[in-house]
Amino acid sequence: GAGVSQSPRYKVTKRGQDVALRCDPISGHVSLYWYRQALGQGPEFLTYFNYEAQQDKSGLPNDRFSAERPEGSISTLTIQRTEQRDSAMYRCASGPLGGANYGYTFGSGTRLTVV
Amino acid sequence: QKEVEQNSGPLSVPEGAIASLNCTYSDRGSQSFFWYRQYSGKSPELIMSIYSNGDKEDGRFTAQLNKASQYVSLLIRDSQPSDSATYLCAVTGNQFYFGTGTSLTVIP
Repeated sequence: GAGVSQSPRYKVTKRGQDVALRCDPISGHVSLYWYRQALGQGPEFLTYFNYEAQQDKSGLPNDRFSAERPEGSISTLTIQRTEQRDSAMYRCASGPLGGANYGYTFGSGTRLTVV
Repeated sequence: QKEVEQNSGPLSVPEGAIASLNCTYSDRGSQSFFWYRQYSGKSPELIMSIYSNGDKEDGRFTAQLNKASQYVSLLIRDSQPSDSATYLCAVTGNQFYFGTGTSLTVIP
């Protein structure tokens, strides 16, 4: 696609429910990053992929958070048993191989609210 | 110590002045450095990248890198009200790290 697409744009869920956030990167982009951004803060690293391989998941807060990218394109970030503290903007960014040298392009984000 | 440190501001400058934004990083092995601009409620947008010591100019923007001091800066000349935003410093190390951002307001 022309840009990084994230869906849904907004998600309101009840505490304890599972949610799945989707990221469709720019066509051909090999690297895909997930970030969480609280209001007034910079993006906080969660995890990233090169192709379908998860390279680093050290930023995932706990084992309720997981991510996958089975075919090396679309990625899903799943949060199980959501808690109010999970409420935030979740952002996805993608880049070409070697994107660490050129920067990444962000999607519009998914605003998650846990009530 | 955070990987990337920025003064959160807010920084206010009058229209037409030079705005100076600063960033320090902890990983000496970092190779690539970026400045992103984020308008309120929007996604971060890449505006500058720099890889070598010295200055890199792009229009009204100049990025400066000093690897020995682990310091990156962004200068915005002839600041405009449309430059009012949060500026995020990003550094590549083991991952792609961001600072917390500096809020800039350009006063007409």
